[in-house]
Amino acid sequence: NAGVTQTPKFQVLKTGQSMTLQCAQDMNHNSMYWYRQDPGMGLRLIYYSASEGTTDKGEVPNGYNVSRLNKREFSLRLESAAPSQTSVYFCASSEEGYYGYTFGSGTRLTVV
Amino acid sequence: GDSVTQMEGPVTLSEEAFLTINCTYTATGYPSLFWYVQYPGEGLQLLLKATKADDKGSNKGFEATYRKETTSFHLEKGSVQVSDSAVYFCALRATGGFKTIFGAGTRLFVKA
Repeated sequence: NAGVTQTPKFQVLKTGQSMTLQCAQDMNHNSMYWYRQDPGMGLRLIYYSASEGTTDKGEVPNGYNVSRLNKREFSLRLESAAPSQTSVYFCASSEEGYYGYTFGSGTRLTVV
Repeated sequence: GDSVTQMEGPVTLSEEAFLTINCTYTATGYPSLFWYVQYPGEGLQLLLKATKADDKGSNKGFEATYRKETTSFHLEKGSVQVSDSAVYFCALRATGGFKTIFGAGTRLFVKA
């Protein structure tokens, strides 16, 4: 099925551990995004990539890094996880202009 | 900067009741406006969109009209079903922009 695939779906980390969240889309979209969703705070943009080879900071980039590996893949890395990074992470992709986003099913991350 | 404000929830309705979820926005220029829906444990799905003033977006019985004079994009449905229980997000995307701004979300419960 066409869409956005995120892995893993669930993850528990200890404080200070690192991990990479993977995201891939098969719709040939140029733009890709990473959001985090926290109760009562809606979705907040972490990083985005307008096109292959470019990345830009969003609203809450601290503690994260990203890689746009190719047009299909956009990964999010936590170098040293903190409890404040406990959240649900969503990857999305889109064409430019007035198109909406296609979201993945999310990664639920708990940092203890 | 651009922002989206939507009514706080939760909204609790009986089946077949009329639904309105209010959404207002602040933006320069002429953004595109969206409603997304999130079912439990899933990612967001695009529900409907409108790209210019007086446009009406519609899908699955839901409607919203882009009102530039009141900077609003209220979501309506004439007769809700239990299966409509979800969280609804209003969002805007600036003309030519890559980023989408999301409201905080409104949770809807529909009772049988």
